[in-house]
Order: sequence, then C-alpha cells, then structure tokens
Amino acid sequence: QQQVKQSPQSLIVQKGGISIINCAYENTAFDYFPWYQQFPGKGPALLIAIRPDVSEKKEGRFTISFNKSAKQFSLHIMDSQPGDSATYFCAAHNFNKFYFGSGTKLNVKP
Amino acid sequence: DAGITQSPRHKVTETGTPVTLRCHQTENHRYMYWYRQDPGHGLRLIHYSYGVKDTDKGEVSDGYSVSRSKTEDFLLTLESATSSQTSVYFCAISESGLAYRELFFGEGSRLTVL
Repeated sequence: QQQVKQSPQSLIVQKGGISIINCAYENTAFDYFPWYQQFPGKGPALLIAIRPDVSEKKEGRFTISFNKSAKQFSLHIMDSQPGDSATYFCAAHNFNKFYFGSGTKLNVKP
Repeated sequence: DAGITQSPRHKVTETGTPVTLRCHQTENHRYMYWYRQDPGHGLRLIHYSYGVKDTDKGEVSDGYSVSRSKTEDFLLTLESATSSQTSVYFCAISESGLAYRELFFGEGSRLTVL
C-alpha cells in the first residue's frame, strides 16, 4: 500500500500557466516532506522541501503548500516553462526512510 | 553532482539467474539506499544501509538482499531473478540521519528479466 498518494498521474499545462500536484498521507509520524524532479534517463533530484511546522515554502517559481490537519501537501509551479517538463515525486520521511508518491508526469506546452 | 556510480547501467538476464547491482560513492556518506522505479508505483524502497554492515529492509525487500562491507559500496543482489523484478533500480546516498536532508540519486540501472 502506497504510504504517500499522489495525483494527478499526468498533467499538461500551457507555458505561463500554473501546475499543481497534490499528495496525501496517513502516517502522522512523517517529519519531512520533499519534492523531487526527474528528467528522462536521470535520477531524481531534490527540488524543494518543507517541514511539518511550516504551512508554506516558496523558492522562486516553486511553492509547497502544507496542510497538517488534512494530511495533504501540494506543489505549485508558477509561470510553468517547457524546461519544467519532467516527472515530479512527492515524498515523506520517517525514521531514516523516505516514502515516495507514484509520480506526476508534467508536460508544459510552448 | 554527487559522486555516485551504478553498475551495470543496463542488464538483460534470464529468470532464475543471480544478479548483483553495485552502487559506488565517493562522498563518504553514511546512508545508502536502493529503490526500484516502476510505472504507477513511483520509487519504492528495497533496502537501506546506515553504516558498514548495518542494513534494514524497506517496503519491497522480498527477493532482494544487500551487503555493505565498505562505506563506499552498497550491493543489491537478486538471488534468483524473476520477471517481476524487471525495473529501473536507483541507488541513493545521504550524509546524515537527520530528517531534513537530501537524497542524492545515481543515474539508475535498468534490469530486464526475460
């Protein structure tokens, strides 16, 4: 059973639009929530991360929104660019282990 | 880029044969992980190591074993490969045991079991 549920599976956005990817979890012991970005043929790389005592974190065009009571968090990509086209994974950490969502393939149309 | 080398990068094997994948790091990081990536499942943890000779199971450890005799090397072994183990395998490393840390991934090893 997937510990972190991610949606949507795929997403098509026009250049300049906002991309939104959502994740949900059940285990309240999770203590760190990173997002990873993966380009074809490459390993995932850390994009942005948030701690559960913070409701929002912004780095450039990328923002994580975190709702602890709902056990949900989301990634917002503002002004999406074709270079953002990649697969995105949310993750959650507990006791040395990182659990990943199933991934979202983002395609930003020029 | 973090110094992580996975070998082999591609392998085709037959059902029932043993397979060993190697992860080599030059970062002297304590923690090392093996994940498999499959469509619809994302990345799933197979095993991880928190030091030389110290390993623990992940979410999908059945059919896999690991060994770490040196800080820099983490081996993943499929004792008798099955078609369900066809996947892309990623090694990851991390410097510390703190929650707020980055995983650095290798470029993956694509395994096909016929």
